Amino acid sequence: GAVVSQHPSRVICKSGTSVKIECRSLDFQATTMFWYRQFPKQSLMLMATSNEGSKATYEQGVEKDKFLINHASLTLSTLTVTSAHPEDSSFYICSARQSAGVSHTQYFGPGTRLTVL
Amino acid sequence: GENVEQHPSTLSVQEGDSAVIKCTYSDSASNYFPWYKQELGKRPQLIIDIRSNVGEKKDQRIAVTLNKTAKHFSLHITETQPEDSAVYFCAANGAAGNKLTFGGGTRVLVKP
Repeated sequence: GAVVSQHPSRVICKSGTSVKIECRSLDFQATTMFWYRQFPKQSLMLMATSNEGSKATYEQGVEKDKFLINHASLTLSTLTVTSAHPEDSSFYICSARQSAGVSHTQYFGPGTRLTVL
Repeated sequence: GENVEQHPSTLSVQEGDSAVIKCTYSDSASNYFPWYKQELGKRPQLIIDIRSNVGEKKDQRIAVTLNKTAKHFSLHITETQPEDSAVYFCAANGAAGNKLTFGGGTRVLVKP
C-alpha cells in the first residue's frame, strides 16, 4: 500500500515553454501533498505544500507564479513549471500524506527529471 | 523554522561492520523523525521513523535513537551489506507538524 506515482518520469523542453508534472496517490487519499526539488548530490528542498481544495503554501524564495500548484482532488496534485529556463532543470519529487489518522508519514513519488534546453 | 544538520556527509564501511549517522535539529517542537534511503535516481524510501514519545526503535538491522534533551537522533545499521549502499536522509517535522525538513544526506558505501 501507500504508492505514489509521478508523471512524466523525464521531460526535455525548450526554454520558455511550460511543463506540467502530475503526482498521484494510487491507493490512499491525500489531503496534503508536498513538492520538492533535488539538485544532484544534494538534499530534498521543500518547494511547497499542496492542500486539496485550497491554495498551496510556498516556501520562502519559491515563486508561486513560476511554480503553479493545483490539488484538485484527494489523489492528484500537479506542478506546472511556467516559462521554464535552464536553471529550472532539476529533479522534482512529490510526496503524499495519508488523510486518514494522524500519521506524519510521507510517501514519495519516483520523481521527474526536467531538462530545459 | 526547523534546521536539521546531518553527519557525516560520506561514510565508507566494510561489509559486516556497523554504520552510524547522526542528526541534530533546532526546533524543540519537532515530534516526528523519519529516515529515508535513496538509491541513485530513485525515490526516497522510508526505512524507519521515531516519534518523540520513545527513545529508541529497532527494526531488524536498523535502529534509531532519539535524545530530545540534546535534540539529536541517530541511525544505526548493523551487519552492513553491499545493498545498504545508498544516500540516507534524516528529517524532522518542526513546529508546523505536517512538513519535513531534511538533513543534507549521508552517502554510505559498503565495501565487500
